[in-house]
Amino acid sequence: QKEVEQNSGPLSVPEGAIASLNCTYSDRGSQSFFWYRQYSGKSPELIMFIYSNGDKEDGRFTAQLNKASQYVSLLIRDSQPSDSATYLCAVNYRGSNNLFFGTGTRLTVIP
Amino acid sequence: EAQVTQNPRYLITVTGKKLTVTCSQNMNHEYMSWYRQDPGLGLRQIYYSMNVEVTDKGDVPEGYKVSRKEKRNFPLILESPSPNQTSLYFCASRWDRDRNEQFFGPGTRLTVL
Repeated sequence: QKEVEQNSGPLSVPEGAIASLNCTYSDRGSQSFFWYRQYSGKSPELIMFIYSNGDKEDGRFTAQLNKASQYVSLLIRDSQPSDSATYLCAVNYRGSNNLFFGTGTRLTVIP
Repeated sequence: EAQVTQNPRYLITVTGKKLTVTCSQNMNHEYMSWYRQDPGLGLRQIYYSMNVEVTDKGDVPEGYKVSRKEKRNFPLILESPSPNQTSLYFCASRWDRDRNEQFFGPGTRLTVL
C-alpha cells in the first residue's frame, strides 16, 4: 500500500514567520514529489515539484527532498494571510499511473 | 486560457438516477484522471486514461464508469448513484505519465439523496 502521510494540523504561524510543512512516504521507489495548495472549496493548485534530493527554491517557497529518510517538506518564508490554505503533498511512484496524495495540512497565517 | 473545465459544478440528485459529469481540457494533454475528495480521506483516484480509448481503474472505481472517445474529453458516469458517492469530484490532466505536473478542474460537488 502506497502511503503519503501529513500532519493534518492546523498549523498556525504569525504573519512574516516561516511555515514548515512535512510529508513522509512509504515507498522508496517514488520518483517525483509535488506540493499543492488548496483553498477551501477550490481545486488543488500546483505550487512546487521536486525530483532530486536537496532543496528547490521558487520565490518564497522552498521544497526539500530527502529520499534516504523518505520525507519531503515545504517551507514558506515571510508567510502571508493569503497563504492560509490546506497544503497537499503528492507522490508519484515508479511504474505507477497514479499520484498518491496525503490528506493535507491546514495552515493558518495569523495577521 | 489553458484550463480544465467540469460541468456541472454543483449537483443534487436522488439514488439511482443516472448522471454524467463532463470534463474537458484544452491543453492537448494525453493523461486525464478523476478523483474524489472526502474529509479525512484526501484525494483518491477513481479512473484514469492514458490516451484516447485507453482507460483503467484507480483506487476507488466501484460505481463509476468513464470513457475517452476524444483526447480533450473524459466524462465520469454514475449509472446508479448512491448516497456514499456524495463527494467533491475533480477532473485532472497532465501531458503524459512521466510529466507529472497535474492540473485540476474546478470541482463538482455532488450530493446523492
